[in-house]
Amino acid sequence: NAGVTQTPKFQVLKTGQSMTLQCAQDMNHEYMSWYRQDPGMGLRLIHYSVGAGITDQGEVPNGYNVSRSTTEDFPLRLLSAAPSQTSVYFCASSYSWHTEAFFGQGTRLTVV
Amino acid sequence: GIQVEQSPPDLILQEGANSTLRCNFSDSVNNLQWFHQNPWGQLINLFYIPSGTKQNGRLSATTVATERYSLLYISSSQTTDSGVYFCAVQIQGAQKLVFGQGTRLTINP
Repeated sequence: NAGVTQTPKFQVLKTGQSMTLQCAQDMNHEYMSWYRQDPGMGLRLIHYSVGAGITDQGEVPNGYNVSRSTTEDFPLRLLSAAPSQTSVYFCASSYSWHTEAFFGQGTRLTVV
Repeated sequence: GIQVEQSPPDLILQEGANSTLRCNFSDSVNNLQWFHQNPWGQLINLFYIPSGTKQNGRLSATTVATERYSLLYISSSQTTDSGVYFCAVQIQGAQKLVFGQGTRLTINP
């Protein structure tokens, strides 16, 4: 099992560009989520999904879009990148919303 | 929303020492997890412990849900224990984890 796989690991974007951060899990987990980690602020929830076709907003959803067409994949889209979105992004999955969470390796994104 | 406070924010110890990390939360929870973020940034789940005590090798954790706190114990610290330890909680009815700010642990040889 690969667990939770995120791509890319590093990315530099120019302001205004769009991109998609990929997240895939092979554990047949229903619950998936995206967090951003900024210095001194811990991890903050961006969006989450309790199953295919169902998504909801977290604490900091503005500027991001998600969809969940399959159980395995949960991509995060940056619509128009801004310097404030410079951060490390983590994807996580768990069997259900109240069970043990497993994290991907993270994507370090810089917006210039 | 729920507040999650971890203490101390920073802890520097010599190899072989023991340590206790604390997580206080402001509301009743039905899910509490401890994570270790190693110096390379990887987040590893240590414990899923909404209540009671669990042990895994040199690490153990206790959650007293009625008093709204959890403790992570690390015994005989090794340099590989360095990193940031996060507590994350989930309140009843909310389908999301809320993270504390973390405790940065540095173990010197």
